[in-house]
Amino acid sequence: QSALTQPPSASGSPGQSVTISCTGTSSDVGYYNYVSWYQQHPGKAPKLMIFDVSQRPSGVSDRFSGSKSGNTASLTVSGLQADDEADYYCSSYAGSNNVFGTGTKVTVL
Amino acid sequence: QVQLQESGPGLVKPSETLSLSCTVSGGSIRSNYWSWIRQPPGKGLEWIGYMYYSGTTKYNPSLKSRATISVDTSKNQFSLKLSSVTAADTAVYYCARGGDGDIVRFDYWGQGILVTVSS
Repeated sequence: QSALTQPPSASGSPGQSVTISCTGTSSDVGYYNYVSWYQQHPGKAPKLMIFDVSQRPSGVSDRFSGSKSGNTASLTVSGLQADDEADYYCSSYAGSNNVFGTGTKVTVL
Repeated sequence: QVQLQESGPGLVKPSETLSLSCTVSGGSIRSNYWSWIRQPPGKGLEWIGYMYYSGTTKYNPSLKSRATISVDTSKNQFSLKLSSVTAADTAVYYCARGGDGDIVRFDYWGQGILVTVSS
């Protein structure tokens, strides 16, 4: 099972939006609506931001949104804030297996 | 509020077996699936495997059968053993809730434990 493909980096100015893609295959992202997104600050454990493609856990800002089209899922962070600067990982269920994305470093300019 | 805490040696010699435990508090290990995930320094996340309290387990095929996950319901704890370790197994190891069933997402994580493989 290969890692899902994410761009290595993305950036935006405060208040702007940034969208991160996560490309898999018809066996994972394209087949299951179980894509989740995680935010990780340096030295910290990952934090769940989006699950089941577009659902937000309680307590996560509505500035974070998720979507999926075919084999590609996306995370959009709108109204960028300094604290959004972090690494972001997608993950997909793949039938008794789970695969993570390669990770994207988001920089707030 | 579910909390998870990893424990175990921070240094393991090459060719030996890495052993870690994860203690769950604020919830029963008899509910949901529970996973181990690792992150080599400066690299991305890798799912290792999951377990259900009934004994069901699944592993990442890339680990070539070196991983074993087990449960101790009396301690509300689950464990990871990774055999024949090499320097490539040096990583921060996380335990997390999720991986299959009703909660596929990883919604609760431990703080992580750094395990270094070195002689």
